[in-house]
Amino acid sequence: KAGVTQTPRYLIKTRGQQVTLSCSPISGHRSVSWYQQTPGQGLQFLFEYFSETQRNKGNFPGRFSGRQFSNSRSEMNVSTLELGDSALYLCASRQLPSSSSYNSPLHFGNGTRLTVT
Amino acid sequence: LAKTTQPISMDSYEGQEVNITCSHNNIATNDYITWYQQFPSQGPRFIIQGYKTKVTNEVASLFIPADRKSSTLSLPRVSLSDTAVYYCLVGAGTGRRALTFGSGTRLQVQP
Repeated sequence: KAGVTQTPRYLIKTRGQQVTLSCSPISGHRSVSWYQQTPGQGLQFLFEYFSETQRNKGNFPGRFSGRQFSNSRSEMNVSTLELGDSALYLCASRQLPSSSSYNSPLHFGNGTRLTVT
Repeated sequence: LAKTTQPISMDSYEGQEVNITCSHNNIATNDYITWYQQFPSQGPRFIIQGYKTKVTNEVASLFIPADRKSSTLSLPRVSLSDTAVYYCLVGAGTGRRALTFGSGTRLQVQP
């Protein structure tokens, strides 16, 4: 099976702009979650989607949003970019039999490196 | 929220066994413990998962004591390619709980 695919791999944006990142999960995985990774804050959870519904959300401002499509592909959007949004954004998928199950391991993509200037 | 604590860094030599311990004092009854490995500029990679006692696969073992308030990842006979950051994740997003990773342990393997 193909792994989790994230596009683009690298992105440079200017403060105030918005950006959309894309994630294609492993075939058959209905859960997609997003993370921000920075040297100072480590791996921080943004949100998780299951069957097009947001299942839980981390502690990030409303500028960070996401959605999931019927084919399980997901997008993450950041509006009004700030310098502090520069980070590696990781997407992970996992195979959950139902919305109430939660112990399946995460499978990560290699991320999108976002630089805000 | 199941907060985890790991050593920030560890050093080892090729061929040695490495044990990395993660503390998770407020682990919930239904929480599993999962370990991931991350190389620079790559996403974390699943290593092993367990609930209690001992789990072993082809790359690692996971030891979990009866009280489940800690866990130890054991890497037998490490090589230079095991140099990476290792993360412990407790719980996996039950209900509305966020998926919270610890700060990770940076393992440096020397020749």
